[in-house]
Amino acid sequence: QQPVQSPQAVILREGEDAVINCSSSKALYSVHWYRQKHGEAPVFLMILLKGGEQKGHEKISASFNEKKQQSSLYLTASQLSYSGTYFCGASTAIRGRVTGTASKLTFGTGTRLQVTL
Amino acid sequence: NAGVTQTPKFRILKIGQSMTLQCTQDMNHNYMYWYRQDPGMGLKLIYYSVGAGITDKGEVPNGYNVSRSTTEDFPLRLELAAPSQTSVYFCASVTRGRVADTQYFGPGTRLTVL
Repeated sequence: QQPVQSPQAVILREGEDAVINCSSSKALYSVHWYRQKHGEAPVFLMILLKGGEQKGHEKISASFNEKKQQSSLYLTASQLSYSGTYFCGASTAIRGRVTGTASKLTFGTGTRLQVTL
Repeated sequence: NAGVTQTPKFRILKIGQSMTLQCTQDMNHNYMYWYRQDPGMGLKLIYYSVGAGITDKGEVPNGYNVSRSTTEDFPLRLELAAPSQTSVYFCASVTRGRVADTQYFGPGTRLTVL
C-alpha cells in the first residue's frame, strides 16, 4: 500500500511557504523525497534515515517522525523552479525468489505544486 | 558520466506488437529497476536486478520480461503489447540496493499502445 500525501495539490505565490505531508500505514525505515517536473524523470531531493532526522537542501527541508510513520517536506520562500509534483518514497527491503534481499521504493500518491508570480 | 540513459524516448505500438526498452547505466551500479508510471500516479515496480544474470519480479511484472547480461544494461521486453501497457517507463539504478541508497532515474520512455 502506497504512502498517502497531503495536500494533493497546492498553488503558491512566489515567496510563500508550503508543507507537504507523507503518511504510511507501514513502518518506515527511510523516506526519500523526489520532485518530478512534467515529462521528466523524478529527481532526488533528500533521504531521511531515522526518526526525528531533519535535513535541508537549499530552502527545502524535511523531517521524519518514525513513530508516527510520517514525513513532512518544507518549502520556504518558494521559487518558480519549485513547481512540479513531489513524491515521497518509502524504502523497504524486499526478498525475491531469486535475488535475495534488495530495496524497493514505494512512491506516495504525489503532491502537485504550482508556484506563480 | 552519462548516468542512466534510456531509449527510445517515445514509441507508439499497435496491439500485439513487441518491443524492447533499453536502459544503460555507466555508474557501475549492481542494482537496477524498471518502473512504470501511469498518468497522475506514482511509480510501480515491474522488475529489478541485483547483478548480471540475476533478476526478479516486482509488483506488476505481467506482460514484461527482462534480462541482465551485463552490469551496464537492463532491457525490458514487451512481448504482446496491450493498451493497458500505455505508460511512461523509468529505469533506475542504485549502488548497493539497501534501503538507504538513492535511486538514480533515467529520462523515461513514453509508450502508447493503440
